[in-house]
Amino acid sequence: GEDVEQSLFLSVREGDSSVINCTYTDSSSTYLYWYKQEPGAGLQLLTYIFSNMDMKQDQRLTVLLNKKDKHLSLRIADTQTGDSAIYFCAESMIKAAGNKLTFGGGTRVLVKP
Amino acid sequence: NAGVTQTPKFRVLKTGQSMTLLCAQDMNHEYMYWYRQDPGMGLRLIHYSVGEGTTAKGEVPDGYNVSRLKKQNFLLGLESAAPSQTSVYFCASSYPGRRGNQPQHFGDGTRLSIL
Repeated sequence: GEDVEQSLFLSVREGDSSVINCTYTDSSSTYLYWYKQEPGAGLQLLTYIFSNMDMKQDQRLTVLLNKKDKHLSLRIADTQTGDSAIYFCAESMIKAAGNKLTFGGGTRVLVKP
Repeated sequence: NAGVTQTPKFRVLKTGQSMTLLCAQDMNHEYMYWYRQDPGMGLRLIHYSVGEGTTAKGEVPDGYNVSRLKKQNFLLGLESAAPSQTSVYFCASSYPGRRGNQPQHFGDGTRLSIL
């Protein structure tokens, strides 16, 4: 079955690193995505990783994938107040028609000055 | 760069009323999607379309209908609105891509309240 789980809330101080975690259950996942949603806005793609990779770095963002444990994380270095948002992980499976995504419930990140 | 545009942005309906939400994309994407977002539940897929003239059910299709008469537009209809349909609705689009590596691009959402 398809199930993506995330913790609900994360509080972090400005300048610290944030780590947002996600677990998924379907081993046939091909791509895993991180989206950011700011208040009143739609989802903005931050980064994605292919399932045969274990790490991807993009400026302040580092994605780690542990395929054995079906665990995905997003690390934000030097967290800024503008990083306060809801972060969603999502999985895409090769067998899913229409490139459908399954989303986690979202992690609300609050950055304190 | 318009991307994905949703209209209207806000709407309040009475129970039993009908309405149509419009999604338009200017990226020539084949695939389009309608989601609803409820607190703590992430996004759930209502219906999707893999091309003009085709639609398919997602995870939560009951109470909704869709149409894709033109490639750039995807309409979501509520025939008889119910309070349980109060939500934020998001439209998204993407290229088909190989092995799902084409990300979905999202509109800014339509906030719908059913009284």
